[in-house]
Amino acid sequence: RKEVEQDPGPFNVPEGATVAFNCTYSNSASQSFFWYRQDCRKEPKLLMSVYSSGNEDGRFTAQLNRASQYISLLIRDSKLSDSATYLCVVNGGGGSYIPTFGRGTSLIVHP
Amino acid sequence: DVKVTQSSRYLVKRTGEKVFLECVQDMDHENMFWYRQDPGLGLRLIYFSYDVKMKEKGDIPEGYSVSREKKERFSLILESASTNQTSMYLCASSLPGTGKFSGNTIYFGEGSWLTVV
Repeated sequence: RKEVEQDPGPFNVPEGATVAFNCTYSNSASQSFFWYRQDCRKEPKLLMSVYSSGNEDGRFTAQLNRASQYISLLIRDSKLSDSATYLCVVNGGGGSYIPTFGRGTSLIVHP
Repeated sequence: DVKVTQSSRYLVKRTGEKVFLECVQDMDHENMFWYRQDPGLGLRLIYFSYDVKMKEKGDIPEGYSVSREKKERFSLILESASTNQTSMYLCASSLPGTGKFSGNTIYFGEGSWLTVV
């Protein structure tokens, strides 16, 4: 079983739509969680951290469900510029500081 | 602003050549990482370092070595390049610590595109 799993997609949505991605993780001792965005042929960049209480940044909302061991990312009012791959990152647990990356979920927003 | 610099962005090397990929960070981070990224396979960890002169193997260390003589610099070495090492290589750094998400944010360089012919 992969440590961090994501649906690769692609999620193909029209502008203005709301779209949500989930990411499951296997290590129950994991301590910190992030969503990264990666554009084609570019490096991943931090989109937002995921707090236990949830985290909202404009049109983006991230949630953590420790009981079910998943994190989610909700994008409201999708823009063309949101088209990218979204990587889930899980860190810590068992004394490890090595981040574990999901393979990413591809989002395509069309006019 | 946070900066991880990979000096070689695009390289073409011949099979059997020795290849050096350099990475420098200006954030005084203890942790540094080398990943490769291939279509459909996601990011795979090659090596990481948690301090000067310290290194540990990641998931796919075969065919690679690393050097960390100074805190800010982490080099990836392909001793004898092969065509299956054609990939995008990403260097990253982060602060140490566990349980503190703000300390674990990982920052990436822009990537080095290596083609081995």
